[in-house]
Amino acid sequence: AQRVTQPEKLLSVFKGAPVELKCNYSYSGSPELFWYVQYSRQRLQLLLRHISRESIKGFTADLNKGETSFHLKKPFAQEEDSAMYYCALSGLQGAQKLVFGQGTRLTINP
Amino acid sequence: NAGVTQTPKFRVLKTGQSMTLLCAQDMNHEYMYWYRQDPGMGLRLIHYSVGEGTTAKGEVPDGYNVSRLKKQNFLLGLESAAPSQTSVYFCASSPPGGVRELFFGEGSRLTVL
Repeated sequence: AQRVTQPEKLLSVFKGAPVELKCNYSYSGSPELFWYVQYSRQRLQLLLRHISRESIKGFTADLNKGETSFHLKKPFAQEEDSAMYYCALSGLQGAQKLVFGQGTRLTINP
Repeated sequence: NAGVTQTPKFRVLKTGQSMTLLCAQDMNHEYMYWYRQDPGMGLRLIHYSVGEGTTAKGEVPDGYNVSRLKKQNFLLGLESAAPSQTSVYFCASSPPGGVRELFFGEGSRLTVL
């Protein structure tokens, strides 16, 4: 079974501080992991995917298969990073659906 | 370019009433999804479709029915609404070949009294 766990419902940090949003997964095969973000009054949208190995808006995430984790990190938080963040998982090779975690609401304090 | 459009955006129902949420996408995507979003529960998949005329159950399908008669539309029906179905419903679509990026609608907030 596929499962995604985001242990923190709420996370609050000060502007300029480092941010780490935790994501752990359970999947028997080779997963593909994603981070989605929902800013206030905007649609849920893809932030980044592990397979692209890219940095988006200063965020990075590394897939750690040994720890079954895909934590989202940013070295210096900005106020515009305040949003709801969801980690999601799909199987590789033609997977038809995404399983989402419970979400973490990130608040950046000025 | 509208992307994914959901109607209605808000609705209040009484227990036992029925209603249909409509999702329309103009990106010619094969895959379409209905999720519900609840505090502390995240996004949970209700039903999905991998093509016109096909549907499949997701994680929480009970109490809902869906239809995909046209490729661009995916309907979510509640035959007899219950307070437990109070939620925000999101429709999403994705091109074929394995889900990669989901394109979401703005959401529909449903309250069942």
